[in-house]
Amino acid sequence: KAGVTQTPRYLIKTRGQQVTLSCSPISGHRSVSWYQQTPGQGLQFLFEYFSETQRNKGNFPGRFSGRQFSNSRSEMNVSTLELGDSALYLCASSSGLAFYEQYFGPGTRLTVT
Amino acid sequence: DAKTTQPPSMDCAEGRAANLPCNHSTISGNEYVYWYRQIHSQGPQYIIHGLKNNETNEMASLIITEDRKSSTLILPHATLRDTAVYYCIVREDTGTASKLTFGTGTRLQVTL
Repeated sequence: KAGVTQTPRYLIKTRGQQVTLSCSPISGHRSVSWYQQTPGQGLQFLFEYFSETQRNKGNFPGRFSGRQFSNSRSEMNVSTLELGDSALYLCASSSGLAFYEQYFGPGTRLTVT
Repeated sequence: DAKTTQPPSMDCAEGRAANLPCNHSTISGNEYVYWYRQIHSQGPQYIIHGLKNNETNEMASLIITEDRKSSTLILPHATLRDTAVYYCIVREDTGTASKLTFGTGTRLQVTL
């Protein structure tokens, strides 16, 4: 079974731009969660989508948004990028029935200059 | 989610047991203890979880104290591939990833 894939793996953007990251979950998984990882804050939860609906949301500003498609693929968008948005963005998929079942992708490394 | 405290780093000789402690003194009765690890440049990987009883699987053992205020993850025979950051998380098992925070974890270095 193929794992979670994320594209692109690396991205460089400038302040004020927007960015869209993509995540393809493991086949059959209906839940996709997004996390931001920075050296100072560790791994922080952004949001979770289940069957195209946002099920939970972390404490991030409205510039961070996401969506999930009918095939369970998910996209995350960050508008008006700030330097502090530089981070590793991780996507995790699961069946949606048990938290510990989450399988993480390799992440997208975003650098904002 | 209850707050957890872990030492920032630990060393372990290859072949020896690695014992990683976690303090979660404010844990509530329906919160589980989960352990994940993150090997450099990879996404986090689930290791084990438990509520009250000690647990063991093919990767590790989890020892939870009787008062549940602390726990220890045991890697019985550490190898160089176990070098990673280990995260202890406590939360209710709602089945979702709601408001999850991993914290900074313990960086385990396994050496020859």
